[in-house]
Amino acid sequence: NAGVTQTPKFQVLKTGQSMTLQCAQDMNHEYMSWYRQDPGMGLRLIHYSVGAGITDQGEVPNGYNVSRSTTEDFPLRLLSAAPSQTSVYFCASRLRGHQPQHFGDGTRLSIL
Amino acid sequence: AQSVTQPDIHITVSEGASLELRCNYSYGATPYLFWYVQSPGQGLQLLLKYFSGDTLVQGIKGFEAEFKRSQSSFNLRKPSVHWSDAAEYFCAVAPNTGNQFYFGTGTSLTVIP
Repeated sequence: NAGVTQTPKFQVLKTGQSMTLQCAQDMNHEYMSWYRQDPGMGLRLIHYSVGAGITDQGEVPNGYNVSRSTTEDFPLRLLSAAPSQTSVYFCASRLRGHQPQHFGDGTRLSIL
Repeated sequence: AQSVTQPDIHITVSEGASLELRCNYSYGATPYLFWYVQSPGQGLQLLLKYFSGDTLVQGIKGFEAEFKRSQSSFNLRKPSVHWSDAAEYFCAVAPNTGNQFYFGTGTSLTVIP
């Protein structure tokens, strides 16, 4: 099983550029989430979805958009990249509310 | 405010020594509790979880954790650490209402020969 697949694994952007981080899961999970991980700050929730067509903001949503048109896919869009968005981004999915989360391997993003 | 606290930012232990990583949470009712491990350059992997019942739970890789309601704690333990256990460890909490998952800031474990 592939589990949670994130692409790309690495990306370098210039300030002001836009891009989409892809996330796909093949476990038919209802819930999907995007986190960013920064040194000393643990994981901070950006956006999450509890099912196709339903998304909501997390702790740090500014500068990011998401959509959930299918159960499998949950892309994260950076609208206009800023150096403060340099981070490691993780996508996670779980069956429902309090079930364990399954994580992708992350996307390491640098904004110059 | 809801919170998950891992008071130890970094711990160093000798190979073969015992290990205890601390986790405290602040919620009104007993939440669902998890420990994850992250090896360098990797995503997070579930070590163990507590939902209800026996307060001592066993996980993968020889880890266990004990839920103590009176102390709002869920500490992770291992009797004998291996060099391959060097990693970042995260405690996580899912309140029994709502859709959120909350992570601690992590404890980095170094294992010395």
